[in-house]
Amino acid sequence: NAGVTQTPKFQVLKTGQSMTLQCAQDMNHEYMSWYRQDPGMGLRLIHYSVGAGITDQGEVPNGYNVSRSTTEDFPLRLLSAAPSQTSVYFCASSYLQNTEAFFGQGTRLTVV
Amino acid sequence: AQSVTQLGSHVSVSEGALVLLRCNYSSSVPPYLFWYVQYPNQGLQLLLKYTSAATLVKGINGFEAEFKKSETSFHLTKPSAHMSDAAEYFCAVTGSIIQGAQKLVFGQGTRLTINP
Repeated sequence: NAGVTQTPKFQVLKTGQSMTLQCAQDMNHEYMSWYRQDPGMGLRLIHYSVGAGITDQGEVPNGYNVSRSTTEDFPLRLLSAAPSQTSVYFCASSYLQNTEAFFGQGTRLTVV
Repeated sequence: AQSVTQLGSHVSVSEGALVLLRCNYSSSVPPYLFWYVQYPNQGLQLLLKYTSAATLVKGINGFEAEFKKSETSFHLTKPSAHMSDAAEYFCAVTGSIIQGAQKLVFGQGTRLTINP
Protein backbone atom coordinates (compact mmCIF):
# COMPACT_ATOMS: atom_id res chain seq x y z
CA ASN A 1 0.00 0.00 0.00
CA ALA A 2 1.88 3.07 -1.28
CA GLY A 3 -0.41 5.71 0.33
CA VAL A 4 0.41 9.23 -0.88
CA THR A 5 3.35 9.49 -3.26
CA GLN A 6 5.04 12.77 -4.12
CA THR A 7 7.62 13.36 -6.82
CA PRO A 8 10.24 14.68 -6.99
CA LYS A 9 11.67 14.68 -3.45
CA PHE A 10 14.08 17.51 -4.19
CA GLN A 11 14.12 20.21 -6.88
CA VAL A 12 16.13 23.32 -7.62
CA LEU A 13 14.61 25.86 -9.99
CA LYS A 14 15.77 29.14 -11.40
CA THR A 15 13.55 32.18 -10.99
CA GLY A 16 10.95 32.26 -13.73
CA GLN A 17 11.03 28.55 -14.52
CA SER A 18 7.90 26.46 -14.34
CA MET A 19 7.42 22.98 -12.97
CA THR A 20 4.82 20.53 -11.73
CA LEU A 21 4.92 18.76 -8.40
CA GLN A 22 3.23 15.39 -8.66
CA CYS A 23 0.96 13.81 -6.05
CA ALA A 24 -0.78 10.46 -6.35
CA GLN A 25 -2.77 8.43 -3.84
CA ASP A 26 -3.99 4.87 -4.11
CA MET A 27 -6.56 4.90 -1.30
CA ASN A 28 -9.51 6.19 -3.37
CA HIS A 29 -9.69 9.30 -1.19
CA GLU A 30 -12.05 12.05 -2.25
CA TYR A 31 -10.22 14.89 -0.58
CA MET A 32 -6.75 16.05 -1.54
CA SER A 33 -4.79 19.12 -0.48
CA TRP A 34 -1.47 20.87 -1.00
CA TYR A 35 0.34 22.57 1.88
CA ARG A 36 3.61 24.42 2.11
CA GLN A 37 5.77 24.26 5.22
CA ASP A 38 7.97 27.17 6.20
CA PRO A 39 10.01 27.53 9.41
CA GLY A 40 8.00 28.99 12.28
CA MET A 41 4.81 29.08 10.23
CA GLY A 42 3.58 25.51 10.37
CA LEU A 43 1.79 24.25 7.28
CA ARG A 44 -0.37 26.54 5.17
CA LEU A 45 -3.01 25.37 2.73
CA ILE A 46 -2.38 26.25 -0.93
CA HIS A 47 -5.19 24.49 -2.82
CA TYR A 48 -7.58 21.67 -2.13
CA SER A 49 -9.99 19.40 -3.97
CA VAL A 50 -13.14 17.57 -2.86
CA GLY A 51 -13.23 15.30 -5.89
CA ALA A 52 -12.32 14.94 -9.54
CA GLY A 53 -13.02 18.15 -11.43
CA ILE A 54 -13.46 20.27 -8.28
CA THR A 55 -10.73 22.46 -6.82
CA ASP A 56 -10.59 25.56 -4.67
CA GLN A 57 -8.10 27.99 -3.19
CA GLY A 58 -6.65 27.79 0.26
CA GLU A 59 -4.82 30.35 2.35
CA VAL A 60 -1.83 30.98 0.05
CA PRO A 61 -2.85 30.18 -3.56
CA ASN A 62 -1.00 32.93 -5.46
CA GLY A 63 1.56 31.61 -7.91
CA TYR A 64 0.16 28.06 -7.92
CA ASN A 65 -2.35 26.23 -10.10
CA VAL A 66 -3.97 22.83 -9.61
CA SER A 67 -6.26 20.48 -11.47
CA ARG A 68 -7.94 17.20 -10.55
CA SER A 69 -8.76 15.13 -13.60
CA THR A 70 -8.76 11.82 -11.73
CA THR A 71 -9.42 10.74 -8.14
CA GLU A 72 -5.84 9.55 -7.80
CA ASP A 73 -3.80 12.53 -8.99
CA PHE A 74 -3.56 16.13 -7.82
CA PRO A 75 -0.59 17.95 -9.42
CA LEU A 76 0.58 21.37 -8.27
CA ARG A 77 1.94 23.72 -10.93
CA LEU A 78 4.29 26.63 -10.42
CA LEU A 79 3.91 28.83 -13.49
CA SER A 80 6.84 31.19 -12.88
CA ALA A 81 8.91 30.24 -9.86
CA ALA A 82 9.97 32.93 -7.39
CA PRO A 83 12.43 32.74 -4.47
CA SER A 84 9.47 33.22 -2.09
CA GLN A 85 8.24 29.80 -3.21
CA THR A 86 11.27 28.10 -1.69
CA SER A 87 9.64 25.72 0.76
CA VAL A 88 8.76 22.13 1.55
CA TYR A 89 5.52 21.07 -0.12
CA PHE A 90 3.23 18.38 1.24
CA CYS A 91 0.32 16.68 -0.43
CA ALA A 92 -2.40 15.12 1.75
CA SER A 93 -5.52 13.06 1.18
CA SER A 94 -8.45 11.79 3.22
CA TYR A 95 -11.84 10.12 2.83
CA LEU A 96 -14.03 12.80 4.37
CA GLN A 97 -13.74 16.05 6.23
CA ASN A 98 -12.54 15.79 9.80
CA THR A 99 -10.99 12.39 9.33
CA GLU A 100 -7.33 11.51 9.30
CA ALA A 101 -5.28 13.13 6.56
CA PHE A 102 -2.50 11.03 5.06
CA PHE A 103 0.57 12.98 4.02
CA GLY A 104 3.20 12.35 1.41
CA GLN A 105 6.93 12.53 2.19
CA GLY A 106 7.21 16.06 0.86
CA THR A 107 9.03 17.88 -1.94
CA ARG A 108 11.83 20.23 -0.96
CA LEU A 109 11.89 23.05 -3.53
CA THR A 110 14.58 25.69 -3.79
CA VAL A 111 14.20 28.63 -6.16
CA VAL A 112 17.39 30.53 -6.89
CA ALA B 1 -12.30 31.45 11.27
CA GLN B 2 -10.16 28.92 13.03
CA SER B 3 -6.66 29.39 14.38
CA VAL B 4 -4.16 27.46 16.48
CA THR B 5 -1.40 28.69 18.76
CA GLN B 6 1.31 26.36 20.01
CA LEU B 7 3.13 27.74 23.01
CA GLY B 8 6.85 27.17 22.71
CA SER B 9 8.59 26.54 19.41
CA HIS B 10 11.11 24.30 21.15
CA VAL B 11 10.66 22.04 24.18
CA SER B 12 13.46 20.05 25.73
CA VAL B 13 12.94 17.28 28.32
CA SER B 14 15.03 14.52 29.82
CA GLU B 15 14.45 10.90 28.90
CA GLY B 16 11.82 9.50 31.27
CA ALA B 17 10.36 12.91 32.11
CA LEU B 18 6.86 14.15 31.40
CA VAL B 19 6.22 15.60 27.96
CA LEU B 20 3.76 18.50 27.76
CA LEU B 21 3.17 20.31 24.48
CA ARG B 22 0.66 23.14 24.61
CA CYS B 23 -1.99 23.97 22.04
CA ASN B 24 -4.73 26.58 22.21
CA TYR B 25 -7.31 27.00 19.50
CA SER B 26 -9.87 29.49 18.35
CA SER B 27 -12.96 28.29 16.53
CA SER B 28 -16.36 29.74 15.74
CA VAL B 29 -17.83 26.26 15.39
CA PRO B 30 -17.37 23.08 17.42
CA PRO B 31 -13.81 22.10 16.59
CA TYR B 32 -12.23 18.90 15.43
CA LEU B 33 -8.65 18.87 16.72
CA PHE B 34 -5.60 16.88 15.72
CA TRP B 35 -2.02 16.32 16.75
CA TYR B 36 0.44 15.30 14.04
CA VAL B 37 4.09 14.31 14.40
CA GLN B 38 6.83 14.86 11.84
CA TYR B 39 10.06 12.91 12.09
CA PRO B 40 13.11 14.33 10.28
CA ASN B 41 12.76 14.31 6.49
CA GLN B 42 9.36 12.65 6.64
CA GLY B 43 5.75 13.61 6.14
CA LEU B 44 3.25 14.16 8.92
CA GLN B 45 1.70 11.26 10.79
CA LEU B 46 -1.47 11.42 12.86
CA LEU B 47 -0.91 10.97 16.61
CA LEU B 48 -4.49 11.43 17.76
CA LYS B 49 -7.69 13.34 17.08
CA TYR B 50 -10.64 14.79 18.95
CA THR B 51 -13.99 14.55 17.18
CA SER B 52 -16.48 15.52 19.92
CA ALA B 53 -16.60 12.13 21.63
CA ALA B 54 -14.49 11.56 24.79
CA THR B 55 -12.58 14.63 25.91
CA LEU B 56 -9.50 12.58 26.84
CA VAL B 57 -8.08 11.14 23.66
CA LYS B 58 -5.45 8.43 23.54
CA GLY B 59 -3.13 8.17 20.57
CA ILE B 60 -0.20 6.17 19.34
CA ASN B 61 3.17 5.80 21.08
CA GLY B 62 1.72 6.53 24.54
CA PHE B 63 0.57 10.07 23.80
CA GLU B 64 -2.74 11.50 24.92
CA ALA B 65 -4.49 14.87 24.81
CA GLU B 66 -7.36 16.41 26.71
CA PHE B 67 -9.93 18.70 25.10
CA LYS B 68 -10.86 21.52 27.48
CA LYS B 69 -13.55 23.71 26.00
CA SER B 70 -13.48 26.24 28.85
CA GLU B 71 -9.76 26.80 28.28
CA THR B 72 -9.90 26.33 24.48
CA SER B 73 -6.94 23.99 24.87
CA PHE B 74 -5.85 20.64 23.52
CA HIS B 75 -2.50 19.97 25.19
CA LEU B 76 -0.50 16.86 24.29
CA THR B 77 1.13 14.78 27.05
CA LYS B 78 3.18 11.65 27.52
CA PRO B 79 4.11 10.42 31.02
CA SER B 80 7.63 9.27 30.17
CA ALA B 81 9.67 10.60 27.26
CA HIS B 82 11.67 8.27 25.06
CA MET B 83 14.54 9.18 22.79
CA SER B 84 12.44 8.13 19.80
CA ASP B 85 9.91 10.89 20.62
CA ALA B 86 12.30 13.56 19.31
CA ALA B 87 10.40 15.17 16.42
CA GLU B 88 8.31 18.17 15.49
CA TYR B 89 4.71 18.19 16.66
CA PHE B 90 1.85 20.08 15.07
CA CYS B 91 -1.55 20.86 16.50
CA ALA B 92 -4.28 21.41 13.91
CA VAL B 93 -7.94 22.34 13.79
CA THR B 94 -10.38 22.02 10.96
CA GLY B 95 -11.00 25.17 9.03
CA SER B 96 -14.40 26.33 7.86
CA ILE B 97 -16.26 23.52 6.19
CA ILE B 98 -17.14 24.74 2.71
CA GLN B 99 -18.26 22.22 0.16
CA GLY B 100 -17.30 19.52 2.62
CA ALA B 101 -13.61 20.19 2.16
CA GLN B 102 -11.07 19.23 4.76
CA LYS B 103 -8.96 22.31 5.39
CA LEU B 104 -6.60 21.88 8.27
CA VAL B 105 -5.31 24.97 10.04
CA PHE B 106 -1.96 24.21 11.65
CA GLY B 107 -0.09 25.70 14.54
CA GLN B 108 3.50 26.82 14.13
CA GLY B 109 4.89 23.54 15.40
CA THR B 110 6.91 22.55 18.49
CA ARG B 111 10.24 20.84 18.16
CA LEU B 112 10.70 18.28 20.96
CA THR B 113 14.24 17.40 22.00
CA ILE B 114 14.93 14.52 24.39
CA ASN B 115 18.07 14.70 26.52
CA PRO B 116 19.69 11.42 27.61
